Amino acid sequence: QVQLVQSGAEVKKPGASVKVSCKASGFTFSSYPIYWVRQAPGQRLECMGYINVAKGYTLFSQKFQGRLIITRDTSASTAYMELSSLISEDTGVYYCATWDGRFDTFATWGQGTVVAVSS
Amino acid sequence: QSVLTQPPSVSAAPGQKVTISCSGGSSNIGNNFVSWYQQLPGTAPKLLFYENNKRPSGIPDRFSASKSGTSATLGITGLQPGDEADYYCVAWDDTLNGAMFGGGTQLTVL
Repeated sequence: QVQLVQSGAEVKKPGASVKVSCKASGFTFSSYPIYWVRQAPGQRLECMGYINVAKGYTLFSQKFQGRLIITRDTSASTAYMELSSLISEDTGVYYCATWDGRFDTFATWGQGTVVAVSS
Repeated sequence: QSVLTQPPSVSAAPGQKVTISCSGGSSNIGNNFVSWYQQLPGTAPKLLFYENNKRPSGIPDRFSASKSGTSATLGITGLQPGDEADYYCVAWDDTLNGAMFGGGTQLTVL
């Protein structure tokens, strides 16, 4: 079936980097942009950025410019999100999701990856 | 970064009706479709509506959605305890060239 499966929980120290993977199955990987969405504890969902899987270009929220890298490996049907210079406020759940531009909607979501930043 | 504006919280008794508003602008809601999501604690968001008011299979008709101009509304009738969740609107923004979330609304069924 159509699904996105993310890598497991991470615990990082301040200043470190984290890389989360998102493996797609059940659909043509290059058909949809992949978004990364963050949710800090008790906070709203926020878009971090996305990658156009077919063409490889990315677009990031200004909030994460300079710290965020989004890549994809089409041979592995996997997208990656790497966030650097972590601070405690980066603690939260990170989701990947496909964006279906035909309907302007997030069609499929990963299960979420918990990232905890603590000294 | 601008967001779509939703009330932080709404509440109503079981069996009652509630509406959740989502206010945006001409570059997002005014020119693009709106979708709505339900997020239960500890889970990924679940699609309730796409293309302003289209309900995916499996979503009860107690849920309704509409859009007018630069605003959208989600309605829930016959409230049940299981409806307690956070609700988000989403729209593409032509200026940002990306999707954006509303601030989210926490629904409490009293």
